[in-house]
Amino acid sequence: AQSVTQPDIHITVSEGASLELRCNYSYGATPYLFWYVQSPGQGLQLLLKYFSGDTLVQGIKGFEAEFKRSQSSFNLRKPSVHWSDAAEYFCAVDMSGGYQKVTFGTGTKLQVIP
Amino acid sequence: EAQVTQNPRYLITVTGKKLTVTCSQNMNHEYMSWYRQDPGLGLRQIYYSMNVEVTDKGDVPEGYKVSRKEKRNFPLILESPSPNQTSLYFCASRGLQGEGEQYFGPGTRLTVT
Repeated sequence: AQSVTQPDIHITVSEGASLELRCNYSYGATPYLFWYVQSPGQGLQLLLKYFSGDTLVQGIKGFEAEFKRSQSSFNLRKPSVHWSDAAEYFCAVDMSGGYQKVTFGTGTKLQVIP
Repeated sequence: EAQVTQNPRYLITVTGKKLTVTCSQNMNHEYMSWYRQDPGLGLRQIYYSMNVEVTDKGDVPEGYKVSRKEKRNFPLILESPSPNQTSLYFCASRGLQGEGEQYFGPGTRLTVT
């Protein structure tokens, strides 16, 4: 079955430190890939997306992600975390070629300590 | 302003009492979806629609119905709600143009007692 795995349920980093959130998917072809962020009590905001082309994609708020086909991964990174980045992050995968059949990972909750 | 709206935002109901959560988008989007969000489970897709009168099941469709009679609206219907449907529900839409970005509504928190 197609699946999306975010192995880290909770991550704590110090403000100013670098961040990497992991996402792996199980699917035969290259899916459409997304990262969303959800602040407490809020809806979801798209950080970045990958469909094809350059495997390193830039998003909003200084985030980037790299698609690695050989590892079926799409990890999210940020070089220097700010306290306002504390939120829950979701990786999502559209394995239907854009026909809206989307699977989300279970999320990674990020805590930022001063 | 481009947006997806959901109503109600909060709802407390009792087991077995039929309810409808409305979703409307003003972006003329073809695709619409419903998700439920539960702690530790992320978002799970309930139903999605590719256009008017075209819907399909997501990963957790049991206990839910949807309809797509108009392009802008995609209501979620719980014919006989049960406590295990207590959850946070999100509606989303996206257009044919662009590259798959979904726009999410603000969410509906449903409690079934």
